[in-house]
Amino acid sequence: QPVLTQSSSASASLGSSVKLTCTLSSGHSSYIIAWHQQQPGKAPRYLLKLEGSGSYNRGSGVPERFSGSSSGADRYLTISNLQSEDEADYYCETWDSDSWVFGGGTKLTVL
Amino acid sequence: EVQLVESGGGLVQPGGSLRLSCVASGITFSSYAMSWVRQAPGKGLEWVSGISSSSGSTFYADSVKGRFTISRDNSKNTLYLQMNSLRADDTAVYYCAKRSGYIDYWGQGTLVTVSS
Repeated sequence: QPVLTQSSSASASLGSSVKLTCTLSSGHSSYIIAWHQQQPGKAPRYLLKLEGSGSYNRGSGVPERFSGSSSGADRYLTISNLQSEDEADYYCETWDSDSWVFGGGTKLTVL
Repeated sequence: EVQLVESGGGLVQPGGSLRLSCVASGITFSSYAMSWVRQAPGKGLEWVSGISSSSGSTFYADSVKGRFTISRDNSKNTLYLQMNSLRADDTAVYYCAKRSGYIDYWGQGTLVTVSS
């Protein structure tokens, strides 16, 4: 079963860019992941699906400021032109044949 | 517009039972696998259970196996989670989620509190 590792926190300034990382465990570096955003007090929201090739697809209504990229076992979420509403928890997700797993989440603070 | 609306949460004593429901609209419900995901207070997301589009396959996290049962009624566009032998550590917001492999839509969640 794959394991996803995320940093617990990150911060960046309003209007700048930030790159969040999700790392797949050994033997699972080819797995597709999804990124989800959870704003304070709200349900999670799907942002984008990201393949090992770096190809990604954003969900309906997700701004182009959100993009994905990959390098080996690492999957990245880049948020450009940071807005105050981007302050949230960000989770990565993947799955195997009979189970699904989330990373521990990264709390993003917009300064 | 895709909507997933959960209901059935509430306060239950340890050892008790509860059934959650999730009504889907805006999608051809019978075409998609579905899942339940929970979030304990102040904690991260935890996958709980999944079911294939036809109910032919069901999957459970080890933490709920043997106590929870997932099911669906495609004629009613409804997903269920029967929760038995509830424990304090089952206290969480439970989210219904639509799958296309990964989750691409979430419900708003329903709170389950297990306490005496």
